[in-house]
Amino acid sequence: DTGVSQDPRHKITKRGQNVTFRCDPISEHNRLYWYRQTLGQGPEFLTYFQNEAQLEKSRLLSDRFSAERPKGSFSTLEIQRTEQGDSAMYLCASSKNTGYEQFFGPGTRLTVL
Amino acid sequence: AQKITQTQPGMFVQEKEAVTLDCTYDTSDPSYGLFWYKQPSSGEMIFLIYQGSYDQQNATEGRYSLNFQKARKSANLVISASQLGDSAMYFCAMREGTSGTYKYIFGTGTRLKVLA
Repeated sequence: DTGVSQDPRHKITKRGQNVTFRCDPISEHNRLYWYRQTLGQGPEFLTYFQNEAQLEKSRLLSDRFSAERPKGSFSTLEIQRTEQGDSAMYLCASSKNTGYEQFFGPGTRLTVL
Repeated sequence: AQKITQTQPGMFVQEKEAVTLDCTYDTSDPSYGLFWYKQPSSGEMIFLIYQGSYDQQNATEGRYSLNFQKARKSANLVISASQLGDSAMYFCAMREGTSGTYKYIFGTGTRLKVLA
C-alpha cells in the first residue's frame, strides 16, 4: 500500500499528558498538511510543509502544538499538556508540488480524558 | 476571507436516482480551486472531483459532476445513479491560488443517505 499512513490510529490519554502522532506521506509528495476534525465539522487546517520547511501555520495551532518534518519525509505532530478540547481526529494529507489533489491518511483519533 | 458554505446537513436519495449537494464559496482571489471529498464512516477522506476557477467546462469524473456557476459562486456536486455505497459525508473545499496560502478550507459537510 503506497498511500498516506498515520500512527497510531487511536490514542487515549489523560489531560496534561503529551502525545505525538506520526504521518508518512506518499513517497514522491513534497507537500504535507495537518488538519483537525471535530465531530460534525469539516477538517480545519493546522499546518503545511513544503519538504522540510513549515511554510504556514494556522492560528488554531496554539503554543502547545508543534509539528516537524525533519528530512522532508515523515512528519510528527506533538501536543503538549493535552486538554479535553484537543479531542478530535487529526488528519494528515500529502500532495505533489504540481498537483492540486490532496491524498489523506486514515487519521489519528485522540481522546483526552 | 475565504469561506465555504454547505447548507444541507443531511440528504436522502433513492438508489439509482441523481442527487445534488450544494456548495457556495466566497473568495476575492481570481484564481482558486474547488474540491469535493467523500468521507465514509471509516473516516478516510476520498478525493472525488476538482474544478479550477479558470476551467471553462464543468468537471466530470464518472458518476460525479461539478455544476460550477462562477457568477453565483456555487460549486454543486451532482451524483448520478446513486448507489448504496455512496452513503457518506461529503465535503466541499477550496484553495486559493494566488494569495500565497496553501491551506484548504472545508465546509461543514452534508451527510448523504442512499435508500434501497
